[in-house]
Amino acid sequence: NAGVMQNPRHLVRRRGQEARLRCSPMKGHSHVYWYRQLPEEGLKFMVYLQKENIIDESGMPKERFSAEFPKEGPSILRIQQVVRGDSAAYFCASSLLRGSYTQYFGPGTRLTVL
Amino acid sequence: GIQVEQSPPDLILQEGANSTLRCNFSDSVNNLQWFHQNPWGQLINLFYIPSGTKQNGRLSATTVATERYSLLYISSSQTTDSGVYFCAVEPKETSGSRLTFGEGTQLTVNP
Repeated sequence: NAGVMQNPRHLVRRRGQEARLRCSPMKGHSHVYWYRQLPEEGLKFMVYLQKENIIDESGMPKERFSAEFPKEGPSILRIQQVVRGDSAAYFCASSLLRGSYTQYFGPGTRLTVL
Repeated sequence: GIQVEQSPPDLILQEGANSTLRCNFSDSVNNLQWFHQNPWGQLINLFYIPSGTKQNGRLSATTVATERYSLLYISSSQTTDSGVYFCAVEPKETSGSRLTFGEGTQLTVNP
């Protein structure tokens, strides 16, 4: 049973470009979470999605960031017009059900903005 | 929002030593997980433990939900145990399922 998959593992963008990060949850999981880890810091929640629905986006920056989890295909975290402060590790997690269930984390995507 | 405090922030051990890491949280929780972030940045699930005690090899964890703390025990530490240990909780009051992470304990195990 494959774990949570994320790609790319490393992404380099220049200021002003767009970054697209992909996450495929564990088989059978329909709940996806995105977290961001800035350098030398802990992880911070960004957004929680179910298929075709955003459930909680209270941790998402108000501008330039968006997320989706379509009926088919992976979840996508999109960052438009990246700035140096967006450089971070972005982790995706999935769970079987909502609530008191283990969240399993992917290997992360390390975004570097030049 | 809920506060999660981990101690100590840094810990240096000799191989073979035992250690206890602590996580205090400020409110009732539905979910508590311990993670190990290895030097390559991967987050590894250690325990899902909102209450009670669990053991997995040299690692064990205890959560006392009524007193709002959890402990992670590492026995006979090895150099591969090095990395950052995070505690993360899901507060009971949230409608979603987001985890709030502590700042972590940086563990270094020397040979």
